[in-house]
Amino acid sequence: ELKVEQNPLFLSMQEGKNYTIYCNYSTTSDRLYWYRQDPGKSLESLFVLLSNGAVKQEGRLMASLDTKARLSTLHITAAVHDLSATYFCAVDYLAGNKLTFGGGTRVLVKP
Amino acid sequence: GAGVSQTPSNKVTEKGKYVELRCDPISGHTALYWYRQSLGQGPEFLIYFQGTGAADDSGLPNDRFFAVRPEGSVSTLKIQRTERGDSAVYLCASSLSRETGGQEGPDTQYFGPGTRLTVL
Repeated sequence: ELKVEQNPLFLSMQEGKNYTIYCNYSTTSDRLYWYRQDPGKSLESLFVLLSNGAVKQEGRLMASLDTKARLSTLHITAAVHDLSATYFCAVDYLAGNKLTFGGGTRVLVKP
Repeated sequence: GAGVSQTPSNKVTEKGKYVELRCDPISGHTALYWYRQSLGQGPEFLIYFQGTGAADDSGLPNDRFFAVRPEGSVSTLKIQRTERGDSAVYLCASSLSRETGGQEGPDTQYFGPGTRLTVL
């Protein structure tokens, strides 16, 4: 059974500082996704990572994938209040098209 | 263009009742997914349709849950004899098929706003 674990579960950030969210998964995966969810809202796709060593960046967010370590990271550069949300990673196991999600990392950026 | 839509946005029902939740996928998306999200947790997979057929229903918790997609577009998730433990947000997502491709990756799943189901 595929397990996906994120840490930390909660991250209190100061504006302007850098932080990293970690996503570990237990078995070989075809691809990894990062989503953002605002309170009471649905999930917004951020990144899809398709191969070992893949790195994608959008604004202050950068995601990377190490399939050998079964680890993905989401790096936040110079945090701003607008980034406050819950971030989920999700793994598509063996191209089965069903996503297994981590428990989420709740991010709160304080001024 | 229009995203995934779900109706109703909220549904309150009594234990033992039957409910139907509807999902309208993005036009042209052949794949459709249902997930369930409990408070403070990540979404959990329920069922995946490719066209009209259920390609994977391994996430349905028991036989009280059933989903259909008769014309390969709109899908309905049906829950019989609801229980308090069924209370959650039910999310629908759609995607292009892996073969067709898409801008953000071959089959990135785009989620709807969800239906919040409360069983009293």
